[in-house]
Amino acid sequence: NAGVTQTPKFQVLKTGQSMTLQCAQDMNHEYMSWYRQDPGMGLRLIHYSVGAGITDQGEVPNGYNVSRSTTEDFPLRLLSAAPSQTSVYFCASSYFPQINTEAFFGQGTRLTVV
Amino acid sequence: AQTVTQSQPEMSVQEAETVTLSCTYDTSENNYYLFWYKQPPSRQMILVIRQEAYKQQNATENRFSVNFQKAAKSFSLKISDSQLGDTAMYFCAAGGTYKYIFGTGTRLKVLA
Repeated sequence: NAGVTQTPKFQVLKTGQSMTLQCAQDMNHEYMSWYRQDPGMGLRLIHYSVGAGITDQGEVPNGYNVSRSTTEDFPLRLLSAAPSQTSVYFCASSYFPQINTEAFFGQGTRLTVV
Repeated sequence: AQTVTQSQPEMSVQEAETVTLSCTYDTSENNYYLFWYKQPPSRQMILVIRQEAYKQQNATENRFSVNFQKAAKSFSLKISDSQLGDTAMYFCAAGGTYKYIFGTGTRLKVLA
């Protein structure tokens, strides 16, 4: 069982560069989401999706774009990287609308913007 | 809006002893779930235990149990017989409509 797969695991970007963090799940989950984890701030929701073609903003969406063309994939795009986006990023998925079920997480991506 | 508060940034416990991690939450949802996740140094997020808000009985999973006080909006995690492998960051989370909200985490260190 692959579960939730995130790539890459580590990335260093220069300020102003763009990149896409990939997330794929093989559990047929409707709900997928992206979080960023920063010291002392826990996990904060960036964007989420309740199904293919449907996305919405979370708590900290600025500087990030998402799309959901398939049930399996939910990529996160950084349009113009800034040092403030240095963080650990997690993709998570779960069954929907049963939000009361656990979220399954990817291994995380440690992103450094210099 | 939902909020989750963990007021203990760091804690330590001696191996084999018991420790309790605190969590309070606020939500306007009528139906919600509460979770404790463990994040070891590997960075992987692992579900420890979950509690259904409409159930009065506290959830238990082996050495892990919760004290759920709905009126007080409190959801603490008790770890009994602490083991070195319990050393990790622990996150409390509330699951409601469309999102999970996480607390800021408690870093637990188990001492040999």
